[in-house]
Formats: sequence, structure tokens, C-alpha cells
Amino acid sequence: AQKVTQAQTEISVVEKEDVTLDCVYETRDTTYYLFWYKQPPSGELVFLIRRNSFDEQNEISGRYSWNFQKSTSSFNFTITASQVVDSAVYFCALSGSNTGKLIFGQGTTLQVKP
Amino acid sequence: GAVVSQHPSRVICKSGTSVKIECRSLDFQATTMFWYRQFPKQSLMLMATSNEGSKATYEQGVEKDKFLINHASLTLSTLTVTSAHPEDSSFYICSALKLLAGGTPYEQYFGPGTRLTVT
Repeated sequence: AQKVTQAQTEISVVEKEDVTLDCVYETRDTTYYLFWYKQPPSGELVFLIRRNSFDEQNEISGRYSWNFQKSTSSFNFTITASQVVDSAVYFCALSGSNTGKLIFGQGTTLQVKP
Repeated sequence: GAVVSQHPSRVICKSGTSVKIECRSLDFQATTMFWYRQFPKQSLMLMATSNEGSKATYEQGVEKDKFLINHASLTLSTLTVTSAHPEDSSFYICSALKLLAGGTPYEQYFGPGTRLTVT
């Protein structure tokens, strides 16, 4: 069975602090995709990144970076120099090869205080 | 990126009535769409997979007679909540798969969601 665990329910930081959101997954598929989504109060999901299981290179996009480690089944997300606009719920998700179905983690609510 | 719309964005209905939610892919054809449900302060749970021209596939625990899904065209899937009750109040989100040529098999695009309140 596939499973995604985001152990951090809520995180509160002060603006400009760095923050890392943890994601651990379980799957028996050899080919799979991992995702991060942001959900602001409006509810609409904002796609942040997709990573396939064969690409373990870390990725950086502006203040965002992702660390994918198959050895520990983790796909962690770091926001550098956090801003108030980063406040939202962040979901990590997993999809098996070619199915498109997403299994979401429980979500982490990030509050960035000014 | 591609656009997926949902209508209505918010709906309030009385207990016992039925509500239809539409999910449209505006600029691409989607043979596969998904319906997710999200209760307040909880995660998104997949309800069903909607395939154009065939019956939907429901996840375990989702009542197919209560949540009717119709995917009659390559750009439209509908979710009808029949005989709605207050416990059906939730945020319903659809997504559509856009197949790509070569390399990555698909991209998935989410609609903005529909907030259903049953009184």
C-alpha cells in the first residue's frame, strides 16, 4: 500500500527564518512520482514540484529547495528566508507510475509571522 | 499551464436534495479526471477516477450510488451528490490528466474546488 506521512502538523516561524517541511513515503512501486503542493486559504492547490523516482538530484527554485533521498524514502521541502506570503498548508503527495492517482500526506500548516 | 474549472465554486443546499458539480478542462482533452474530497483541516482523499466513456472507479469506502460520476466528454466530468446530508459538507476538488508526447507521461491540473454546505 502507498502512504505519505507528514509528521509536522503545524509549524510557526518568524519571517526570514528557514524552515524545512518533512515528508516520508511508502510504496512498492519502482517507478513513482513525488509532489509538493501549496494550499493557501482560498483552497486552490498550487503545484510546486514533481520528482520521479529515478531522479534523486536535489532541486532549487528561488527560495524553495527539495531534498529527495530514496535511501530514507524522504522528500523534504525547505523554504529559505521565509515570508508571510508563504503561510499556507503544504501537502506532499505520491503517485504510482502512470496512474495519476495522488496519495496525499496529512499536510503541514506553516505560519510565518512578521 | 493548462486550466481546469469547477462550477459552482460554492453551493449551499438543503438536506435531501442533490447537487451537481462540474469539472471542465478548458484547453485540453482529458480522458481521465479525478475527484477528491477534503474535510476542514484535513487532507485530500481520492474519491474516484473518472474515465471518459466508461464507468468511474471508486475508492474503497466511497458510495458509488451516492456520488454519481459522469464523464460524458473529453472535457467534462460531473459529480452529483445525491440525497445530500450535512456530513457530505466538504470541499470537493477535481483534477484532470493531460497526456504529453514523449518523456513525462502526463501532467495533472487541479480545479479551484467547490465548497458544498448541506443545511
